This record gives sequence, structure tokens and C-alpha cells, in this order.
Amino acid sequence: QSVLTQPPSMSAAPGQKVTISCSGSSSNIGNNYVSWYQQLPGTAPKLLIYDNDERPSGIPDRFSGSKSGTSATLGITGLQTGDEADYYCGTWDNNLNIVIFGGGTKLTVL
Amino acid sequence: EVQLVQSGAEVKKPGESLKISCQGSGYSFTSYWIAWVRQMPGKGLEWMGIIYPGASDTRYSPSFQGQVTISADKSISTAYLQWSSLKASDTAMYYCARILAYCSRNTCTTRGFDYWGQGTLVTVSS
Repeated sequence: QSVLTQPPSMSAAPGQKVTISCSGSSSNIGNNYVSWYQQLPGTAPKLLIYDNDERPSGIPDRFSGSKSGTSATLGITGLQTGDEADYYCGTWDNNLNIVIFGGGTKLTVL
Repeated sequence: EVQLVQSGAEVKKPGESLKISCQGSGYSFTSYWIAWVRQMPGKGLEWMGIIYPGASDTRYSPSFQGQVTISADKSISTAYLQWSSLKASDTAMYYCARILAYCSRNTCTTRGFDYWGQGTLVTVSS
């Protein structure tokens, strides 16, 4: 069971918007940067968001990140079939002294 | 272009040793932390530990401390993950990733894993 809680699965239609939540505590999300990763089937994870809300170059602005208190959210607008993937949040935990990841959210675009 | 290229898939027997590698290019290898991340079949991501090649400073997750060894050879811009005695439960995909982080003696501030290797599949079976 992950320290960071994500919904196991979500689905939405093409063109729609989805928000994926990541819930933690003051020892992790509340006092550290959150990052988000997209893992397409059979591939390595890819950084989508770092420093809570920053996009690396090359990541479209359809992807956005935010953080409030001990929760973080990944937003995806204009959903495409190519967005079907597993999405993970990650951050440092001050009590465990490790990087922790959420359990992942499998996004289906139907 | 920043790249992390990992060594190829391995099939081993329980009790055997193994060392897999991750070669960085396109950036200053000694200036960034490198992390190892495990993904067991059908499961999520688990952080194993990190190394700062410029100083060979290494930090481990308690879950992996004593089970694996992380090292680096800065002369060839390569990080390693090794096992002295594999178990069937070590069967997984292993990723290396460059991590944007700064670490003091007791803690780290991590901003994100910005580049990932392609992964090395390790299968341990008798």
C-alpha cells in the first residue's frame, strides 16, 4: 500500500478533461516538491511535471500540475487516445527519507 | 541530447550474482544524482536508492539497503546496480533515471526524475 494515494483507474472520452489526484501528508507532499510521470505500455516512465507545476520542454500545455496542502493534482485537457497510460506522482518523504511514488492511475480514453 | 542507456535483459538463477549498468551521455555525469527504480511485473514504481557520481555519495531505501549495491565509475559515465545473491523475487524491470535533487547529510530535496533509461529486465528463475 503506497504512502501516496491515487485512484487506481479513471476513464474519459477523447477531447474531455481529467484530473488525477495524489494524496499524502505533511511529511511528504505538504513540504516537498511533487512530480508526475506518464508510463505508456511497455515503455519507461516520462517526466510530465516537476516542482509541483512546471512542465519540461516538449511537454504540451494540455498537461498541468498543482499542489494544495497535502494533495497534488495532474490535469489533462483535450484527451487523446495516445494519453492512455499509467500516471504516477512522486515526492520525497521526510520521515522515511526516501522518494515515494503513488500506486499509479491507469487512464483509459474511450 | 541527454541519454541514459542501460545494459540488456538478463536471465539468472537464484543465488547468482549480477551487475547491470546505466551509461549517461550528453550532460555532466558527475553533476547529477542517478536513481535506480524497480518495477515488479504489473506493479508500480519503487525507489531503490541514488548515487552522486561526482562524490560517490550513495543513499539507499531501507527496503533495499543490504540487498543491492549502487556504484558508479565516473571515468566512463556509468552507474551500476548489483546483487550478490539473486532471489526469484528480484524479477523485475529496473530503471535508472537522472534525478534533479540536492542532498544534505540527512535529507534530500527532490524535484523530479527528468531522464530515464530504457529499463533492464531481470528474470530470476530456476
